[in-house]
Amino acid sequence: QSALTQPPSASGSPGQSVTISCTGSSSDVGTYNYVSWYQHHPGKVPKLIIYYVDKRPSGVPDRFSGSKSGNAASLTVSGLQAEDEADYYCNSYAGGNTWVFGTGTKVTVL
Amino acid sequence: EVQLLESGGGLVQPGGSLRLTCAASGFTFRANSMTWVRQVPGKGLEWISFIYSDSAATSYADSVKGRFTLSSDNSRNTLYLQMSSLRAEDTAVYYCAKNTFFAFDIWGQGTMVTVSS
Repeated sequence: QSALTQPPSASGSPGQSVTISCTGSSSDVGTYNYVSWYQHHPGKVPKLIIYYVDKRPSGVPDRFSGSKSGNAASLTVSGLQAEDEADYYCNSYAGGNTWVFGTGTKVTVL
Repeated sequence: EVQLLESGGGLVQPGGSLRLTCAASGFTFRANSMTWVRQVPGKGLEWISFIYSDSAATSYADSVKGRFTLSSDNSRNTLYLQMSSLRAEDTAVYYCAKNTFFAFDIWGQGTMVTVSS
């Protein structure tokens, strides 16, 4: 149950795009299309923004998109806005009714 | 309104026990699987436990296996996380969350557990 690997930080100017990687293994990301992403503003509750690799829950802007290739997944935030500044976590199902989160990425809007 | 409300956090000595409660409202609790996630202050999110909607199966992260027990009372729409043999490294904010599509779509506000002498 090792955490998925994410870059500690990412940044971009308003209107630009930022992509966050999430590297797992053949035991999790590589086997299951059950990758989800969460936006977490400090002091607030984590919010689901992507599930099933690339599906957006109702109400999540289409500026957020997800993808997966092999053992790695990624989240792209297009048209960065000030309110996108937050911590982002990937998560993958790992079989046997277990899940694993990524190490988290702090996104800064310059 | 769909809502999860955790309670039961607090200060406990190393080796002690604590029971967290997660009260659900606004959705059919018995039809949904549930999860606990924790966050050590300043660190990332960690999945720690899951329970099937019918309470027939539970699973745990290695870090808490054998020490934490997850159960639910569908008649009360409530989830319980019994924590024992607590360690300093269990100090964290504990969130309950509703499972959907192998993800966690509804989260409670969290309850803080501090393990310290």
